Amino acid sequence: ETGVTQTPRHLVMGMTNKKSLKCEQHLGHNAMYWYKQSAKKPLELMFVYNFKEQTENNSVPSRFSPECPNSSHLFLHLHTLQPEDSALYLCASSQDGTTSGGLGELFFGEGSRLTVL
Amino acid sequence: GEDVEQSLFLSVREGDSSVINCTYTDSSSTYLYWYKQEPGAGLQLLTYIFSNMDMKQDQRLTVLLNKKDKHLSLRIADTQTGDSAIYFCAEREDSNYQLIWGAGTKLIIKP
Repeated sequence: ETGVTQTPRHLVMGMTNKKSLKCEQHLGHNAMYWYKQSAKKPLELMFVYNFKEQTENNSVPSRFSPECPNSSHLFLHLHTLQPEDSALYLCASSQDGTTSGGLGELFFGEGSRLTVL
Repeated sequence: GEDVEQSLFLSVREGDSSVINCTYTDSSSTYLYWYKQEPGAGLQLLTYIFSNMDMKQDQRLTVLLNKKDKHLSLRIADTQTGDSAIYFCAEREDSNYQLIWGAGTKLIIKP
């Protein structure tokens, strides 16, 4: 099993659809993240879960709803999206999201390319 | 607020050195990073530097840090086609340990 796996790799949805993105990590990490990657823009941190508890929500619209049932799985539920939400959504994990001494290396999945029509 | 800036594109000839530059604003960051994103893939940590270092060398990679000017650079010696990727600069906020990212520099290799 590779480190961080995301499904689906590509998703096309209408503005009224409801869909979900899934992320699974096989690294035994305790923190998981959702990032939004848009062309020519910095990576945008959306949500952070540390030991299954949400510790960061960077003013993300409520049409994005995260779920973290355990330390290995992370979901992003999507509903009533807008065309400007089209982007690459990256999931990442790290050993501990709040470490003070460690390197804090992030391990990323390959991303889910979302297109909203 | 904190900001990390880098050029969007860099084009170099195969075999030449590539220098990717980055400026940041949070002078208290302990770690600064370079991540690499190959086509169709997620990001992968390439190298990093502690804020108390000026330089770090790792095979073909050299990281230079100028804390006074808040400038970070990544030099890739003898650039190869496999180095084609987007290179992201990031600094870590010491307040909440979250990363602040640049927009990424796409390295284009000319034959």
